Amino acid sequence: DVKVTQSSRYLVKRTGEKVFLECVQDMDHENMFWYRQDPGLGLRLIYFSYDVKMKEKGDIPEGYSVSREKKERFSLILESASTNQTSMYLCASRRTSSHGEQYFGPGTRLTVT
Amino acid sequence: EDQVTQSPEALRLQEGESSSLNCSYTVSGLRGLFWYRQDPGKGPEFLFTLYSAGEEKEKERLKATLTKKESFLHITAPKPEDSATYLCAVRVLTGGGNKLTFGTGTQLKVEL
Repeated sequence: DVKVTQSSRYLVKRTGEKVFLECVQDMDHENMFWYRQDPGLGLRLIYFSYDVKMKEKGDIPEGYSVSREKKERFSLILESASTNQTSMYLCASRRTSSHGEQYFGPGTRLTVT
Repeated sequence: EDQVTQSPEALRLQEGESSSLNCSYTVSGLRGLFWYRQDPGKGPEFLFTLYSAGEEKEKERLKATLTKKESFLHITAPKPEDSATYLCAVRVLTGGGNKLTFGTGTQLKVEL
């Protein structure tokens, strides 16, 4: 079974803080993704990575950055958290670009006050 | 612009009352349609992938079908444990790569 883990289930941060969200997958998948999920808007892609040290902007990258130094780990960074970044953040992985299905972690509920 | 629309937004069924959820899409170059189940406070769980019109996939009480414009998730004799939000997503090729575009989901509640 694919296992995708995220560092925190719940996180509360203050406006302006730098926030790190960590994601680890244990199935040697090449591709990894970060989404945010908001009521009525569905899942929106923030960034994705095809392989180590590679990254591509998704649909809503503004205010975020990512890091992928090791194959199994993909980090999402909020440089200066703002209240409109309060959301559920979901990490996913996929075996390769030739495969379609993505496997999701449990999510991190981030609240920025 | 690629679009995925799910209907209804919410559905309440009695246990044993079969029904269908709809996912309609307008995309250029479909490379797969995916169904996920999401329980409250959790990440989506992969259910099915469909690639071509006429294809069907089944898992327990769920059956997914695909046409050129939409997909249906049929739920036969549902049980309370089938209550969840069901998401569909389409895979399209974007220059040099591919990604999933998600619908906003159908929230299903099955009551005794």
